[in-house]
Amino acid sequence: QQPVQSPQAVILREGEDAVINCSSSKALYSVHWYRQKHGEAPVFLMILLKGGEQKGHDKISASFNEKKQQSSLYLTASQLSYSGTYFCGTGRGGSNYKLTFGKGTLLTVNP
Amino acid sequence: DAGITQSPRHKVTETGTPVTLRCHQTENHRYMYWYRQDPGHGLRLIHYSYGVKDTDKGEVSDGYSVSRSKTEDFLLTLESATSSQTSVYFCAISGGGGDEQYFGPGTRLTVT
Repeated sequence: QQPVQSPQAVILREGEDAVINCSSSKALYSVHWYRQKHGEAPVFLMILLKGGEQKGHDKISASFNEKKQQSSLYLTASQLSYSGTYFCGTGRGGSNYKLTFGKGTLLTVNP
Repeated sequence: DAGITQSPRHKVTETGTPVTLRCHQTENHRYMYWYRQDPGHGLRLIHYSYGVKDTDKGEVSDGYSVSRSKTEDFLLTLESATSSQTSVYFCAISGGGGDEQYFGPGTRLTVT
């Protein structure tokens, strides 16, 4: 079952902050975040594992609430290069490999 | 960038014809995946492999088969293509010490 992402789309001015949420109805083992620019392949940003271990990007942060089966991606002081579609992928049952992706959040950063 | 190539990059084929897409990696990663991406659906897992000759189904595997005879190659076959299989297909790899997936450039397949 696909995780649900919100919002579906967001428009920012450069320098503003944004939060993208990912929630699941099933217990999660891990949450992965990817960004995809138009016409390109998705690119890895961040992974959050059950138990609190976090890896990822130096300008973007994320949280993982295991009890609520939710993750949030925080983009602060957004840059034009942040524009793209953000996907969360969730791993279940101890698997960090077989992911189910959400439908994506389109982020547009304007000057 | 991770060494992943996909071929062909674009293909137009007719309904009912067989189609094989190839994913090739130079990273020696254990896991390989095939996803399809359609507007409004995000990325959906078709099949994945956790080693040579070891494969498993994803969430949208009907109408697709895969094979992995070598670590570096993962083939996706549409035995008899249908218009509903028109999509962008991405290959991904993981398992090189981390859990992140690296995606190939994609193949745009159109079934007429």
